[in-house]
Amino acid sequence: IQLTQSPSFLSASVGDRVTITCRASQGISSYLAWYQQKPGKAPKLLISAASTLQSGVPSRFSGSGSGTEFTLTISSLQPEDFATYYCQQLNSYPLTFGGGTKVEIK
Amino acid sequence: QVQLVESGGGVVQPGTSLRLSCAASGFTFSDYTLHWVRQAPGKGLDWVATISSDGIQKFYADSVTGRFTISKDNSKNTLYLQMNSQRAEDTAVFYCAAGRGRSFPQSRYFDYWGQGTLVTVSS
Repeated sequence: IQLTQSPSFLSASVGDRVTITCRASQGISSYLAWYQQKPGKAPKLLISAASTLQSGVPSRFSGSGSGTEFTLTISSLQPEDFATYYCQQLNSYPLTFGGGTKVEIK
Repeated sequence: QVQLVESGGGVVQPGTSLRLSCAASGFTFSDYTLHWVRQAPGKGLDWVATISSDGIQKFYADSVTGRFTISKDNSKNTLYLQMNSQRAEDTAVFYCAAGRGRSFPQSRYFDYWGQGTLVTVSS
């Protein structure tokens, strides 16, 4: 199952609302996760089951979608949110990731 | 707290072998599904292999099938990745990751990650 993220890069300001899209090549129900990765660090699980926020993740992050189209939204971008974000499908093996979306400071 | 510490990376020549280890602590090792995920320099995340909590089921990416073997030693709380016939395109940071659960879907999330170990395949 291929996952296509868009955009691959976005430039935004602190306080902006940011939306990242992940499209699956076939239906995956809600079997999708979102990860955040900062330079030189391991990824961190933000959202499971397409919309379930992990413990400790700020409420400005939210996920939605099912089937083939999913979104990750950051309601008000904070300085610590500048990172690369990946979606991952767990519907079937091989497990796959999207290509990533790098969020940079405008 | 949960801790995963990879080791065994380094510079190797094409066609040779290397074994990575991942020492786990802070959780019941035998209850978790374990994974290897790699990231080539400047590139995205790439799932490599998964082993079930009981060590019986193993899954591999097509790119490593027949060359890499995932295993675990519950008595040592350690996950392994034996990498044979290495290629230049295997150059990457290799992360071990743990999924909180024995069964689908929870087992297929990467809840916890190690810091990664760099493998460079070059002549």
